[in-house]
This record gives sequence, structure tokens and C-alpha cells, in this order.
Amino acid sequence: RKEVEQDPGPFNVPEGATVAFNCTYSNSASQSFFWYRQDCRKEPKLLMSVYSSGNEDGRFTAQLNRASQYISLLIRDSKLSDSATYLCVVNAPGTYKYIFGTGTRLKVLA
Amino acid sequence: NAGVTQTPKFQVLKTGQSMTLQCAQDMNHNSMYWYRQDPGMGLRLIYYSASEGTTDKGEVPNGYNVSRLNKREFSLRLESAAPSQTSVYFCASSIQGSTEAFFGQGTRLTVV
Repeated sequence: RKEVEQDPGPFNVPEGATVAFNCTYSNSASQSFFWYRQDCRKEPKLLMSVYSSGNEDGRFTAQLNRASQYISLLIRDSKLSDSATYLCVVNAPGTYKYIFGTGTRLKVLA
Repeated sequence: NAGVTQTPKFQVLKTGQSMTLQCAQDMNHNSMYWYRQDPGMGLRLIYYSASEGTTDKGEVPNGYNVSRLNKREFSLRLESAAPSQTSVYFCASSIQGSTEAFFGQGTRLTVV
């Protein structure tokens, strides 16, 4: 089992749609969770950290489910500019390292 | 707001040549990282430096060396480039390994 798993997609959704991605992680001791956005041929950029109580930033909502060991990202009212690859990132417990998922590709269609 | 700066942005090397990728951050971060990204493989950690004065191997260290020159700078050296090292290289930094990381713009390296 991979340490961090994501559905690679692509998820093709119309503008205005709501879309959700899940990411599962294998190490129950992980403490820090993040969603990054990566545009084609660009560097990953932090979208949001994921907190235990869940958190929201505008159209984006992140949730953490420790019991089932997954985090989720919900995007409401999708925009064309949301088209990108979304990376799930988990810290490796007891180390200074991060574990990256391979990403979920989102295409928002006009 | 420079953040993390990598140089060069693009490089073509011949097999066997050496080069150093430079990375500097101005956020007073303790930890710095070098990753490579290949199609379909995601980001793989090459080396990291938890704090100034320390470096450790990551997932794919073979063929690379690093130097944490000071708190700001972390360089990656390819001693004898191979075609398998053709990739996009990203440098990143964080306050510490459990906080969010920030990335440089990447170096596209082609080894022919």
C-alpha cells in the first residue's frame, strides 16, 4: 500500500459544479496534512493546511478523518482557473519529511 | 517577497558533466529539501536538511550530493550526470518538517 494515495483522475467537471477529492494515508501517527495545487510545469503551491476540526477558505473546504485515515478537499462553484493538479501531502511522523501523493487532476470545463 | 529562489531555471547537460543547482530562501526557515518530479511518479525526496549543519538522504539520493552552505542556502550537485537524471528539480523550505513547505520555481534539467 502506498503511503499516500490519490485517485489520479482526471475529474472533468462543468463550471459551477462541486467536486470532491479524497486522499488516504497509511501512517496513523501522521500529524500534519496539506493540500497543494500544482499547475502544469509549475511549482506546487500551498492551497490549505488541514486541521482536525476541518477548515474552510472561500470555496475550498478541507476535512480530516483520522479514524479512516483520509483527508478530503471540496471545491464549490468550480472556476476554469481551478483546473490544476491537487496534491495531498502528509508529514512522515518523527521526521522532517513530507510524503506526497501523485496528485489528482481536475479539469473545469466551460 | 522572493521566498525560495532556484537557479538555473533550465539546463542541458551532456552525460558525464557535473553541475550544481542552487537554492536560497529568505524566510528564515530551518528545513530545506530537494525533490525531483517525473511524469506519473509524483515528487520524490532526494536529500533534505532538517536544520543548518545537517543533511540526510531521502528516497532517491544516488548520483547526488548536497551542501547546506548556511541557513539560507542548500545546493544540489550532480557529479556525473546521467540521462536518468533528466527531470524537474524543486527546492523547498519550511520552518520545520511538520509545517507547510514552500517551493522554488523549479529547474528543468535535460541530460543528453
